[in-house]
Amino acid sequence: NAGVTQTPKFRILKIGQSMTLQCAQDMNHNYMYWYRQDPGMGLKLIYYSVGAGITDKGEVPNGYNVSRSTTEDFPLRLELAAPSQTSVYFCASSYSMVLGAANTEAFFGQGTRLTVV
Amino acid sequence: AQTVTQSQPEMSVQEAETVTLSCTYDTSESDYYLFWYKQPPSRQMILVIRQEAYKQQNATENRFSVNFQKAAKSFSLKISDSQLGDAAMYFCAFGIISNFGNEKLTFGTGTRLTIIP
Repeated sequence: NAGVTQTPKFRILKIGQSMTLQCAQDMNHNYMYWYRQDPGMGLKLIYYSVGAGITDKGEVPNGYNVSRSTTEDFPLRLELAAPSQTSVYFCASSYSMVLGAANTEAFFGQGTRLTVV
Repeated sequence: AQTVTQSQPEMSVQEAETVTLSCTYDTSESDYYLFWYKQPPSRQMILVIRQEAYKQQNATENRFSVNFQKAAKSFSLKISDSQLGDAAMYFCAFGIISNFGNEKLTFGTGTRLTIIP
């Protein structure tokens, strides 16, 4: 049971390049999330998904795209990278947030440190 | 919209002593979850403790306990018998309960805890 796996761990992009951050979970979780963490700040939600085929915007979606074709995978796409997207990106998953559900915690990957130069 | 405020950017405590980290939140929801997450230098987010808003009893997990004051919208974390391994960034988080999508966590900006040997 690997939990939440993010790749790559580090990446340097040039302005205008694009890339996909991969995220996979093997816990059969319905809910998956992408966050960014800027230095000295808390996590900001970029996109989330409540199940395969369903995604929605979070607080800071501009410049990003996501897809959820399977329960396991939730890739984050950066198009036309900008220096403002330099950050640490976290993928997370959870089984449920339904009232009374025991498994309400979110499991996080180890993060991807992205630098745009 | 929900907000989570952690007013202590940094805290320090002597090893074996007790420390309390503060968190306040603002919401119009009546049912929700509150979490404390720990982020060590490895960057992975680790759940420390969870509190259901409908429960009056404060959650405890070994040396970690919370003081949940629903009317005051306050959720502080107490760490007893502090250990060197407790040194990390601590994030308070708020989770909305819903049966139909829109489940998401809102994080505070974090408190960096230093343990003094």
